Amino acid sequence: DTGVSQNPRHKITKRGQNVTFRCDPISEHNRLYWYRQTLGQGPEFLTYFQNEAQLEKSRLLSDRFSAERPKGSFSTLEIQRTEQGDSAMYLCASSSGTSGGAGATDTQYFGPGTRLTVL
Amino acid sequence: GESVGLHLPTLSVQEGDNSIINCAYSNSASDYFIWYKQESGKGPQFIIDIRSNMDKRQGQRVTVLLNKTVKHLSLQIAATQPGDSAVYFCAENIGQGNLIFGKGTKLSVKP
Repeated sequence: DTGVSQNPRHKITKRGQNVTFRCDPISEHNRLYWYRQTLGQGPEFLTYFQNEAQLEKSRLLSDRFSAERPKGSFSTLEIQRTEQGDSAMYLCASSSGTSGGAGATDTQYFGPGTRLTVL
Repeated sequence: GESVGLHLPTLSVQEGDNSIINCAYSNSASDYFIWYKQESGKGPQFIIDIRSNMDKRQGQRVTVLLNKTVKHLSLQIAATQPGDSAVYFCAENIGQGNLIFGKGTKLSVKP
């Protein structure tokens, strides 16, 4: 399977703990995105990378959240001091980035997500 | 603020009928629109997209229509099947890297 993969698929943690999620994009896709989705809502953008550079961050990405993509391939999203309000599905997507600019027709393909439950 | 929204939160259709899912957007700068299908417990799956310089695009059993005058997007699914049951999201790209999603329409197909 050459799609976007995410690990773990499910994570249950206690409030105050740190968690880290991993995303492996489609091979050779140079753009990688993180979104958060709560029940009954559409995904909300968190941040995106062009290769290893983090180019945009949403105001939803508080200082407890940090994302990295050190070698321009896989990415990690860490949440420190988790709160119950962090409970959500965390989705990763990737795109080829060959359409010229971050808009146009640069189709984003999503992974299966990591469902986080904070007790 | 500007947002993408949906006219109907749920849609129930009979197997074999055609489905039409509607979406309104308010950002006139959007130049690219995408429809995603999301099944329970899974990530959004790309269905079809359309650029702002087009008004219609067809895929396999799906058609997307874009009316820029009234800022309206629709997804038509022909001969709806039980496997089409899912939540459908429209999303817009305003050229800043991120997609803006609507709240979704749940499609239920009755056998």
